[in-house]
Amino acid sequence: EDKVVQSPLSLVVHEGDTVTLNCSYEVTNFRSLLWYKQEKKAPTFLFMLTSSGIEKKSGRLSSILDKKELFSILNITATQTGDSAVYLCAVEEAGGGADGLTFGKGTHLIIQP
Amino acid sequence: NAGVTQTPKFQVLKTGQSMTLQCAQDMNHEYMSWYRQDPGMGLRLIHYSVGAGITDQGEVPNGYNVSRSTTEDFPLRLLSAAPSQTSVYFCASSYSPLTSGIADTQYFGPGTRLTVL
Repeated sequence: EDKVVQSPLSLVVHEGDTVTLNCSYEVTNFRSLLWYKQEKKAPTFLFMLTSSGIEKKSGRLSSILDKKELFSILNITATQTGDSAVYLCAVEEAGGGADGLTFGKGTHLIIQP
Repeated sequence: NAGVTQTPKFQVLKTGQSMTLQCAQDMNHEYMSWYRQDPGMGLRLIHYSVGAGITDQGEVPNGYNVSRSTTEDFPLRLLSAAPSQTSVYFCASSYSPLTSGIADTQYFGPGTRLTVL
């Protein structure tokens, strides 16, 4: 069973639309949740969320974490074609298991002109 | 800083061949890791290292070896390549281990696309 589930798996919208990407998780010892944007090959870091209810914002992108309901959302407003990418959510666990991240399968976002 | 560098960018191997994927970082990061990414799947951790001389297995370690003789370098070795190892490989580093509780950015290399025929 997947520990990190992203939805939708793919999304096609028009330029200027606002999109919301979802990430739910189920881990034993949650430490943090991270969002990445992947274009071409290498993913780039967007946000790290550790506290519930605190919004992280960077330009048109924002993200919030709900530790009680075990999910996070990534919002993109006034989308542009350059926002087309795969958005990855990853969850970090504390203690046991691999010292790494568990990634979701990503949401493939396509912004049409 | 060059950040995290990976070589080669592309590689084609025949089944049974061996090779080493190179990864280096110049940020004095203690923590380094290797991931593979396959279509429809998230990044999966292969091996990681929390410092020079220390390595450990991740989620999918079979068929891969690593070593960490210096802080800067973390090569990934395929001893006998198999078609199932066709993938894009990412190396990443961060100043502190991700489980340290210190908010830190994990820096990814540009990736190596490996095809095993």
